[in-house]
Amino acid sequence: QVQLVQSGAAVKMPGASVTVSCKTSGYTFTSYYIHWVRQAPGQGLEWMGIINPSGGRTNYGQKFQGRVTVASDTSTSTVYMDLSSLRSEDTAAYYCARSLGDSSSMDVWGQGTTVTVSS
Amino acid sequence: SYVLTQPPSVSVAPGQTARIPCGGNSIGTKSVHWYQQKPGQAPVLVVYDDSDRPSGIPERFSGSKSGNTATLTISRVEAGDEADYYCHVRDSSSEHVVFGGGTTLSVL
Repeated sequence: QVQLVQSGAAVKMPGASVTVSCKTSGYTFTSYYIHWVRQAPGQGLEWMGIINPSGGRTNYGQKFQGRVTVASDTSTSTVYMDLSSLRSEDTAAYYCARSLGDSSSMDVWGQGTTVTVSS
Repeated sequence: SYVLTQPPSVSVAPGQTARIPCGGNSIGTKSVHWYQQKPGQAPVLVVYDDSDRPSGIPERFSGSKSGNTATLTISRVEAGDEADYYCHVRDSSSEHVVFGGGTTLSVL
């Protein structure tokens, strides 16, 4: 079955960087886009960016441009999201999700990765 | 930037119909998708492309659009439908995904 399995929780100091991985299985990796969406405690969903694993083209939300990098590894069917210059406001659950096209629905989601930024 | 507007909360009695609106400029020209999220869980797709249902989603969940508003309708509401619901579109001008602020459905 289709699965998106994310890396485990992370605790980071302010100013540090974090990398969250999303390992996919059960489908053709290059046939679906992968989005990154985050959710701060008690808040709504916030879109961070998208990658097309077929070619590696990315598009990032304006709020995150310059601080987020998303990359894919076709040899392991894994997508990585790197967020730098962390601050306390980046404390959130981070989700990866797949979609067939860049305007399509996100039909399968990862389980989420909690990132805590604290000194 | 493009904005989707949802009411913070909707309340309905069991067995009644819940309607959750999602307003946005020219939303009629965009594909609207809806997600259900229960506490501590990842979102689940319940309606895609305005009104289609993924396999496994009950027929009680339906979507529609009229004017500048898309609506998620849940018929014969059950206690298990209590959750946060989010609408989603892609803004073609920025090529960015936008989520509504989310609506908490309470079953009285």
